[in-house]
This record gives sequence, structure tokens and C-alpha cells, in this order.
Amino acid sequence: AQSVTQLGSHVSVSEGALVLLRCNYSSSVPPYLFWYVQYPNQGLQLLLKYTSAATLVKGINGFEAEFKKSETSFHLTKPSAHMSDAAEYFCAVRVGVSGNTPLVFGKGTRLSVIA
Amino acid sequence: GAVVSQHPSRVICKSGTSVKIECRSLDFQATTMFWYRQFPKQSLMLMATSNEGSKATYEQGVEKDKFLINHASLTLSTLTVTSAHPEDSSFYICSARWRRGTEAFFGQGTRLTVV
Repeated sequence: AQSVTQLGSHVSVSEGALVLLRCNYSSSVPPYLFWYVQYPNQGLQLLLKYTSAATLVKGINGFEAEFKKSETSFHLTKPSAHMSDAAEYFCAVRVGVSGNTPLVFGKGTRLSVIA
Repeated sequence: GAVVSQHPSRVICKSGTSVKIECRSLDFQATTMFWYRQFPKQSLMLMATSNEGSKATYEQGVEKDKFLINHASLTLSTLTVTSAHPEDSSFYICSARWRRGTEAFFGQGTRLTVV
């Protein structure tokens, strides 16, 4: 069965510093991978997704992620953190193209940005 | 991106009563909808998957008689928490996907408090 591991439940960076949120997946077949952001008491907003095209995926708000099959990783990065990036981030995996296939989420990483 | 509207965003109910949460896809036909539950500072746990016109498929450990899911049309799914108890207090989030869609779009979530 597929699973997602997010290393670090809480990451704190200074404003303007590099953001790196780690995600490793486990899947026996090529997966679809996603990063979502959640602000307090809100739903999830898609940041970016990997669907077996380019391994470097660019998303919204300056975020990007690189799919590395050899490392089974899909880490999320942003060159320069902004105060508005403070939120909860979830990595998710989906295996299969069936419409019934749900997303499996990691436990989330809370990003704090220090002024 | 596609829009999923979830209503209400916040509800308080008395123990023993039932609460209905609506999830609507506003600009696409959602052949599949997913219902998740999220406890404070935790990840999303899939409760059930529903296809339009079919009975929902519940995850292990989720009481189908307590959490009634209806997906009667391609744009609306409802989750009814029956005979609610304080331990049902949680954040409930729906997501929707169209037939050949890669990603699922999320509603804003519903904060349920049972007193």
C-alpha cells in the first residue's frame, strides 16, 4: 500500500530564507504526488502536482518540488520565505488512475516564518 | 481551478442531534467525492468514498450508520452525522474529482462542535 512520510512536524525559517519541506513516498507503481497548503480552519489548496511528466514541478506562490524516483522523494522548496507562507503543508500520494482512488496524506508539516 | 463549496463552515449542535454537511462542486461534475476527518494538529483521515448514484465505500473503522453519505447528483454530496456525540467534534473536509481528473479539489471544511 502506498504511504507518505513527512519528515519534521514543524519547520521554522527566517523571512527570506530557503524553505525545504521533506516528503518521501512508498509506492509499488509510479505515483501521482501532490503538495497542499492549509491555513487555519480552511480546506486544502493545491500547490503543485507531479503526474509523471517533468520531474521538476513548479507550483503557485513560488513553490516547486522535484520528483526523485531513486530517492522516493518529492521535497517542496521555495527560495525565499514570506510571512504569508506560514501554514500547514501536506504531501499526498495517489496511486492509480481510477476515479475512486483517494489521496493518502502525510501527517503534515507546520511552517513558521520568523520576521 | 475548480471550485468545491462546503456548507456550513461551522456548526454547533447538541449531543444526540443530527447534522448535515453539504459539499457542492460548482463548476464541474464530480463523479467521485471523498470525505475526510481531521483532528487538531493531525492529518486528514479518509472516511469514505462516494460515486454518484452509488452507495459510499467506508474506510475500516468508520461507522456507516453514524456517518450517512449521500451522493445523489454529480454536483452534490452530503454527510450526515447522526446522533452526534462530543467525540464527533472535528473538522470535516470533502473533496471532489471528475471522471478523468488527476487531482481532487477540496471544500473549505466544516468545524463541527457537539456540546
